[in-house]
Amino acid sequence: DAGVIQSPRHEVTEMGQEVTLRCKPISGHNSLFWYRQTMMRGLELLIYFNNNVPIDDSGMPEDRFSAKMPNASFSTLKIQPSEPRDSAVYFCASSLPAYQETQYFGPGTRLLVL
Amino acid sequence: DQQVKQNSPSLSVQEGRISILNCDYTNSMFDYFLWYKKYPAEGPTFLISISSIKDKNEDGRFTVFLNKSAKHLSLHIVPSQPGDSAVYFCAATFGGKLIFGQGTELSVKP
Repeated sequence: DAGVIQSPRHEVTEMGQEVTLRCKPISGHNSLFWYRQTMMRGLELLIYFNNNVPIDDSGMPEDRFSAKMPNASFSTLKIQPSEPRDSAVYFCASSLPAYQETQYFGPGTRLLVL
Repeated sequence: DQQVKQNSPSLSVQEGRISILNCDYTNSMFDYFLWYKKYPAEGPTFLISISSIKDKNEDGRFTVFLNKSAKHLSLHIVPSQPGDSAVYFCAATFGGKLIFGQGTELSVKP
């Protein structure tokens, strides 16, 4: 079991550039979550999907952020245009729908926007 | 508006002693509480959980206590080991989502 896979692990970009973060959930997990961790706000949920359908995106900070899940094994989180305040660690997690309280997290993508 | 709060950003404990990590919450509708553990450069990993209808759950060296009237839960680690040094997040479930506290960094000294 490879666990949740995220890429890239580190990303450094300049303000105004587009950033795309990728996630492969654990096979068989039908729920997928995107989180952001910052010193100020801790670990906050951005959006989550059930069976590839976005269920709650109320945590997405603004229109510059978008997330997609085109199939059960892949999801992206895109920031366009990026800003320095987007610098954070972004985690993807997956779970079985009946056990959403027990989520399996990926290693995270550390994003730095200069 | 922080619905799950961990007021201690850090805790230092001697190896072999008890570690007690605390968490307070504001929403009485939370139905499940969990603790996650996070090492540097890794994602959080599930540690232990408790349903809102219980007041205690034990798993080896880890015990979680829930006091619903006080809206307070705690994680006890006995005995503490150096490998327990990590950031511990308290979380609660509501509407299919996990709401996390800010985390407490535990340092267990040999």
